[in-house]
Amino acid sequence: GAGVSQSPSNKVTEKGKDVELRCDPISGHTALYWYRQRLGQGLEFLIYFQGNSAPDKSGLPSDRFSAERTGESVSTLTIQRTQQEDSAVYLCASSLYGVWSNQPQHFGDGTRLSIL
Amino acid sequence: AQTVTQSQPEMSVQEAETVTLSCTYDTSESDYYLFWYKQPPSRQMILVIRQEAYKQQNATENRFSVNFQKAAKSFSLKISDSQLGDAAMYFCAYIRGGTSYGKLTFGQGTILTVHP
Repeated sequence: GAGVSQSPSNKVTEKGKDVELRCDPISGHTALYWYRQRLGQGLEFLIYFQGNSAPDKSGLPSDRFSAERTGESVSTLTIQRTQQEDSAVYLCASSLYGVWSNQPQHFGDGTRLSIL
Repeated sequence: AQTVTQSQPEMSVQEAETVTLSCTYDTSESDYYLFWYKQPPSRQMILVIRQEAYKQQNATENRFSVNFQKAAKSFSLKISDSQLGDAAMYFCAYIRGGTSYGKLTFGQGTILTVHP
């Protein structure tokens, strides 16, 4: 596609439910990143994919968070047993090559997650 | 660990005037890249300008320019001839250079208001 696509745009769910967030990177981009942005804050790195492997999961805040990627395309971020502190905007980005850090990252519009 | 600090939570400027947003960072690396991203209410992060640490010349992109002071670890963004469309949250970001994947470290952001 023309840009990074994320769905849903907004998600409201009850505490304790599981949620899945989806990211479609730019076609041909091998690297994919997930970030979390709490209200009024900067972005926090969650996880990086190179192809379908995840060399760095260091930003995942707890074992309730997991992510997977199919080949060099779609990625899903899953949050199990959601808590109110999980409320944030979750942003996905992709870049052409992950191993060269000067490649610009292109961001999607994010998913705003609200936990009631 | 790398840190990025934006000390101005909010800034304002009159249309057609010039404004400078501040950013400082801390790193022990010598090879890195610095970025300014713009985030309008649509939430999408838009790359405004990029600076390679090994380059002494300050980057410019049309009305946007940076003042990169490597020794002082300072990286400010100057917006000339400000336009209403420049109103957004601006984030300074850092990436370690070389053949390492691009995990961006972001500052807390500066909200820029442009008055007509």
